[in-house]
Amino acid sequence: GAGVSQSPRYKVTKRGQDVALRCDPISGHVSLYWYRQALGQGPEFLTYFNYEAQQDKSGLPNDRFSAERPEGSISTLTIQRTEQRDSAMYRCASSSEPNTEAFFGQGTRLTVV
Amino acid sequence: EDQVTQSPEALRLQEGESSSLNCSYTVSGLRGLFWYRQDPGKGPEFLFTLYSAGEEKEKERLKATLTKKESFLHITAPKPEDSATYLCAVQAEGGSYIPTFGRGTSLIVHP
Repeated sequence: GAGVSQSPRYKVTKRGQDVALRCDPISGHVSLYWYRQALGQGPEFLTYFNYEAQQDKSGLPNDRFSAERPEGSISTLTIQRTEQRDSAMYRCASSSEPNTEAFFGQGTRLTVV
Repeated sequence: EDQVTQSPEALRLQEGESSSLNCSYTVSGLRGLFWYRQDPGKGPEFLFTLYSAGEEKEKERLKATLTKKESFLHITAPKPEDSATYLCAVQAEGGSYIPTFGRGTSLIVHP
C-alpha cells in the first residue's frame, strides 16, 4: 500500500477483554516495529520484526502482550485480559531495510474502561 | 543503555524568528539519527536521516546537522504551519536496529 495502515483507528474495550490491533506495512518493507506513545512523549519501543521473525520483544510490558507477523507482511499486536493501564496510542512503523528510516501509521487509540 | 534527550521541551517563536532544536544522544556507536515531525493526532512523519558527524540535510526551512554527541534542527524564518512536535530518534550500532526516540520538542510559531 501507499503507507502504513493500522486498524482499528479507535478501540474501546472493557477491562478483561482481549484486543487485537492490526498493522499493514508498506508493501515490500522488511522491518516492522510496534511502539506505544503516551501523550506528550516520544514513541516507546515494544517489539520488532524482520520478515516474519520477531527480532526483539524486550519492550513488551508483560506476558499479556504478544505480536506476530506470520507471513512477513501484516502484523497483529494482541493484548490479553486488558487493564486500564493499557490505554494508550499504539503505533506501527515499517522500514524497507533494518537500518533505514521507519514510516509510521496513524496509530490505534486503545481505551480500556 | 541508549539515551536521547531533546531540548527545549517546548518552544514558542514569532513568525520569521529563526531558532534551533537540540537532540543529545548517548549510544555505544551511532548507526543513524532520524528527525520526525508529528502533528496533533497524527503519526510521526519522517524528515531526515543523518549518519555521520559533519553531515547536513535540508528541506525547505529546516536544516539538520550532526556532531558526535548531538544533532540540531535549525528552523529558518519559521511559519505558523511549522508548528508541530519534532522528534529525534537514534539507531545504535552493534546488532539492535531499534530506533530509540526522545520525548520531542513542541514548537509553536505565532503569526
